Amino acid sequence: EPEVTQTPSHQVTQMGQEVILRCVPISNHLYFYWYRQILGQKVEFLVSFYNNEISEKSEIFDDQFSVERPDGSNFTLKIRSTKLEDSAMYFCASSAGGRVNNEQFFGPGTRLTVL
Amino acid sequence: AQSVTQLDSHVSVSEGTPVLLRCNYSSSYSPSLFWYVQHPNKGLQLLLKYTSAATLVKGINGFEAEFKKSETSFHLTKPSAHMSDAAEYFCVVSDHLDSNYQLIWGAGTKLIIKP
Repeated sequence: EPEVTQTPSHQVTQMGQEVILRCVPISNHLYFYWYRQILGQKVEFLVSFYNNEISEKSEIFDDQFSVERPDGSNFTLKIRSTKLEDSAMYFCASSAGGRVNNEQFFGPGTRLTVL
Repeated sequence: AQSVTQLDSHVSVSEGTPVLLRCNYSSSYSPSLFWYVQHPNKGLQLLLKYTSAATLVKGINGFEAEFKKSETSFHLTKPSAHMSDAAEYFCVVSDHLDSNYQLIWGAGTKLIIKP
């Protein structure tokens, strides 16, 4: 069964460093998403991506964040200069179409720890 | 603005007894509602979804949920709990008018199954 994959499973970095979190969505999906979950808090929407551009982003997704689909299979989230408060589990998701009620399939997550 | 309230942070039941996980939502529009499950160290898996068809929705692993508009509720139930049901459960709402399909998450309910 097709699934969303994410690498690495755990990333440890120093404050101020750049990190890139990688995701491989399900191959025929067209819409891609990043969410994050700070320990003990709710899952929060970061950004959605369609047709090689951002469709929507939350107020969390500031200038320190960027997304890219560099090669037609990977979907990446970059944090330019990490802060302590960026420590969280980051989930990638994909869906087949943008119509409402379309299911989002989630990856297993990348746990980012900023020291 | 949309929001989701999961009324219990933890629910503990004995194996073989019924499960009830409560969820109330707030939405300006006709919502789509979902339950996702997260097993330890695993990704987020869709259990079931309500998309304005039948109000009683059946999902995987014997779970079901009933959409009650008058009560703005979407409680998750299962007649008989199994040890493998131990996980965290998230009630989620989507914005029908937003074709980018941002998901709004509840805080989660941790289901504990006693032998």
